[in-house]
Amino acid sequence: EIVLTQSPATLSLSPGERATLFCGASQSVSSNFLAWYQQKPGLAPRLLIYSASSRATGIPYRFSGSGSGTDFTLTIGRLEPEDFAVYYCQQYGTSPWTFGQGTKVEI
Amino acid sequence: QVQLVESGGGLVRPGGSLRLSCAASGFTFSDYYMSWIRQAPGKGLEWLSYISERSTYTNYADSVKGRFTISRDDAKKSVYLQINSLRVEDTAVYYCARGVTSGWPGGAFAMWGQGTVVTVSS
Repeated sequence: EIVLTQSPATLSLSPGERATLFCGASQSVSSNFLAWYQQKPGLAPRLLIYSASSRATGIPYRFSGSGSGTDFTLTIGRLEPEDFAVYYCQQYGTSPWTFGQGTKVEI
Repeated sequence: QVQLVESGGGLVRPGGSLRLSCAASGFTFSDYYMSWIRQAPGKGLEWLSYISERSTYTNYADSVKGRFTISRDDAKKSVYLQINSLRVEDTAVYYCARGVTSGWPGGAFAMWGQGTVVTVSS
């Protein structure tokens, strides 16, 4: 199976700063089928990005995804207070579909 | 209203079984891949299984293959997860989810239910 490794585990930033989250895959992600999710405590995850760089419906422009093959990045342009959460990457190009272990973005 | 609503969770003894259900509304259910994903307490997300439109394809994570069975009833707009031989490590919130687009690949989950809690304990 494809193992996704996210870094850093925790990112400590302030509102207004730029956040850069990384997701590395143990082998190439087919068709760049790579998604990013945001999860807040007690809630279901929320899809931010799919196909590596397509923003999901209703997602603010400050969220952007990039990358291909084995290296992917989620960038949050300027952190808003509501952006402090855990972020997961997920590949869905090769079964079994797999998630990364998550990056916590904290104040 | 576009939503997914899970049910069927509860407290079960090791070795027991459960059938989780997920009822969909507000979209053409039969056009979409449906998946189950779980999250153990304080842990990350784990994809478990998907089922394609018309139940043509199913797939499972290695960790649950042979114990979990996914199915769907398009007439009832529902997807199910039969969980057998439950283990303590199966304790988690179980979510059903729908892909961002209809058809393949179906694996970027744009819609999630609220989750149903499964607790396995003696």
